[in-house]
Amino acid sequence: DQQVKQNSPSLSVQEGRISILNCDYTNSMFDYFLWYKKYPAEGPTFLISISSIKDKNEDGRFTVFLNKSAKHLSLHIVPSQPGDSAVYFCAAIVTGTASKLTFGTGTRLQVTL
Amino acid sequence: GAVVSQHPSRVICKSGTSVKIECRSLDFQATTMFWYRQFPKQSLMLMATSNEGSKATYEQGVEKDKFLINHASLTLSTLTVTSAHPEDSSFYICSARDQLAGFQGGDTQYFGPGTRLTVL
Repeated sequence: DQQVKQNSPSLSVQEGRISILNCDYTNSMFDYFLWYKKYPAEGPTFLISISSIKDKNEDGRFTVFLNKSAKHLSLHIVPSQPGDSAVYFCAAIVTGTASKLTFGTGTRLQVTL
Repeated sequence: GAVVSQHPSRVICKSGTSVKIECRSLDFQATTMFWYRQFPKQSLMLMATSNEGSKATYEQGVEKDKFLINHASLTLSTLTVTSAHPEDSSFYICSARDQLAGFQGGDTQYFGPGTRLTVL
């Protein structure tokens, strides 16, 4: 039962353009969402997060949008840079449950020159 | 930011042997550590939650006797894969929660670099 889904396994974007990565979830108890970036053979690194009481959070080139009614969140990267090429995981958490993260399946982003 | 290390980074072993993977929080204390497993092109699957000084909590479907977890100190958790088989070959990642950070959201869990286990 995949509670957090990323339906696009891969995405290719030209440098300078916007990258939009999508994530859907089914568990309405999730109240905090995070995006991680991961390179091969490395652990995930935290990018940005959003609480369910917000619908947008911005940090530099990264913006996360949350649509609670649709149980959907997205990560926008603008402008995209070649160094952004990696696998991006969204994750969700029910606060108060010992920080157990539920990860999505990941989207491989390729930023081309 | 906080650093979590894992050792070894890569291990190859024969079927039937046991392998121990260490996870250390280098500059903070972690009462809780998590062990994940990632198959190629798949998500990170939580295996167990490791609590300092107490028994680990395993996720459904994870064999306790096969994946032994010990969290002997506030900076070290170990995962031992016992009687390893080729199907145990995977990428194992730990994360550690900074107990002083509280729930601040995104950066309360810090991930290690992972351990690639190959069982022949």
